[in-house]
Order: sequence, then C-alpha cells, then structure tokens
Amino acid sequence: DTGVSQDPRHKITKRGQNVTFRCDPISEHNRLYWYRQTLGQGPEFLTYFQNEAQLEKSRLLSDRFSAERPKGSFSTLEIQRTEQGDSAMYLCASSQGRSYEQYFGPGTRLTVT
Amino acid sequence: AQKITQTQPGMFVQEKEAVTLDCTYDTSDQSYGLFWYKQPSSGEMIFLIYQGSYDEQNATEGRYSLNFQKARKSANLVISASQLGDSAMYFCAMRVTSGTYKYIFGTGTRLKVLA
Repeated sequence: DTGVSQDPRHKITKRGQNVTFRCDPISEHNRLYWYRQTLGQGPEFLTYFQNEAQLEKSRLLSDRFSAERPKGSFSTLEIQRTEQGDSAMYLCASSQGRSYEQYFGPGTRLTVT
Repeated sequence: AQKITQTQPGMFVQEKEAVTLDCTYDTSDQSYGLFWYKQPSSGEMIFLIYQGSYDEQNATEGRYSLNFQKARKSANLVISASQLGDSAMYFCAMRVTSGTYKYIFGTGTRLKVLA
C-alpha cells in the first residue's frame, strides 16, 4: 500500500494557461475526492467520484474546472484559463466502500502569476 | 445547509497536559459522521478519529477522544498528554450520510505544544 500520490507537487503557471493535476488513489479504493485549500482555511470540497462516475460537484467548481476518472483508477483535475484566485493547494483523497476514513495525498500547490 | 464551526484560531498547551479543541456543527440530517484530521506543517492531512451520530459512546483512539454532545451539536477533540509532535493544524469535519459522501471541513485550529 503506497498511499495516495499526486503529481506534480508544485506548479507555477502564468495567468491564462491551462494546468492538469493527477491523483493516484490507493489501489482498491473506489471513492476519490478533490478538495481545494487556501491559506488559513480548511479543505473545500470540489468533487467526488465513485469508480468512474462523477457523483457530485461543488458549486465552487466553475466551468473552467473539469475532473475525470477514466476506468475508475487515477483521476485528473484540469483548470483552464487559470486566474490568480486559483492559487491554492489541491488535495486528493480516497476511501473504500462504506468506510468513513479518507486517505489524503500530499497535495499539489498551484501558484498562478 | 451543513456547517462546521471552529472558533479557536490558535491554542497553546504545555507538554504532557491535556487540551480540548472545540467544534460545533449544524445539520438537519439525523445520520452523519464527525471527524478530526491533523495537518502538520508538511501539509498532509492525517485522519485521527471518527464519531457516528448514532454512536452512544464517545470515540477514543489512543490519546485522542471525541467529546460528542449531540443536543449541543458539539464534537470537541481532547488530546491527552500532549507531545511536541502534536503541534499542527487540526480540522473538524462532517459527512452527512444520506445520499452523499461529501465532507465539510471547518477552518481549523492551530495547536502549539510548548516544551
């Protein structure tokens, strides 16, 4: 069990560029979550998947954000036309079945200049 | 709407003493779960403890216990015998279990353990 991994760990991009982050959950976990965390705040829910189905999306997730989880394994989060307000830590977490415990990855820190 | 409130932005505690971190929640659902996570300076969120809304006894995990008062809608975390390694951000979270697996987090409490 290698835990949840995220790539890249850090990303610096210019405003207007597109970025894509990857999350690899724990292999047998069927649920996968994306959160955004800004400085001094708790994680804010963005979206979650059960297997390959995206079951819930936050209203925080504008049209510039899209997430996929093809084949129910890894997931990608894409932000198009980045804005300075998108600068944050993007956290991925996974869980299994009816278990309440989420396992978090180390996060991807995005800086938009 | 569901909400988690943590009113203590920062707390200090002397090493080896106990400390209580406050959390209140708001939901109209009868079935929900309450969680505490620790986030050290390295950034990774670590699950500490869980309490289900129908659990009659307070949850305990080693030095962590959750003081669950359903009528007051509070779920305070008690850390006994504080250690220097307990210095971190602590987040309270809730998951409503009817029809969603969405988690809602509070704004956190930064705990500093003093030697």
